Amino acid sequence: QSVLTQPPSVSGAPGQRVTISCTGSSSNIGAGSDVHWYQQLPGTAPKLLIYRNSNRPSGVPDRFSGSKSGTSASLAITGLQAEDEADYYCQSYDISLSGSWVFGGGTKLTVL
Amino acid sequence: VHLLESGGGLVQPGGSLRLSCAASGFTFRNYDMSWVRQAPGKGLEWVSVVSGSGGSTYYADSVRGRFTISRDNSKNTLYLQMNSLRAEDTAVYYCANRDGYNYAPDWGQGTLVTVSS
Repeated sequence: QSVLTQPPSVSGAPGQRVTISCTGSSSNIGAGSDVHWYQQLPGTAPKLLIYRNSNRPSGVPDRFSGSKSGTSASLAITGLQAEDEADYYCQSYDISLSGSWVFGGGTKLTVL
Repeated sequence: VHLLESGGGLVQPGGSLRLSCAASGFTFRNYDMSWVRQAPGKGLEWVSVVSGSGGSTYYADSVRGRFTISRDNSKNTLYLQMNSLRAEDTAVYYCANRDGYNYAPDWGQGTLVTVSS
């Protein structure tokens, strides 16, 4: 059971918009901890996609965006492309668990 | 930035293994470093973190008392000593640097640890 809750799967057709939710609690997201998102393509290591809720590292297309409100966060992907098919993980910091990063269980994005 | 893990392999339950992560392309001593693992077909699980100086360490409850994280800043290398290994420790182990805002800008490619008799 992951500390952060994500839907196991989402899907969309090429060109469409999808969102992935990430729900935490008062000891992580609700405590003001930032939310970060990672993309994991099949057979590869995770890659930072969004940091500090809504910031994109250099090289990440602006089709990817993040937001945070209360105890939840969301990742939005617009203009879906086949190469976006991957697992997506949210991550935050839990103030009740010393030093600990907490992750969502991951969401499998399928491009139809 | 380049992070390269090594040391994974097949080990029997109760055995030990030491993982290494060679870092380059950034000032290693200025960054806290973490280990994150991923069991086959499962999600990401944070394992441990060590401060830039090596003076502070933290562990997930699932590995505390069995795993030891350390680093050698003169060699730009991170380590994870894993003792009393269990089947549930089977996973790909990734090393990652840690930004001051508690996220991982960079990840290694991972090394597979399989605990089985």
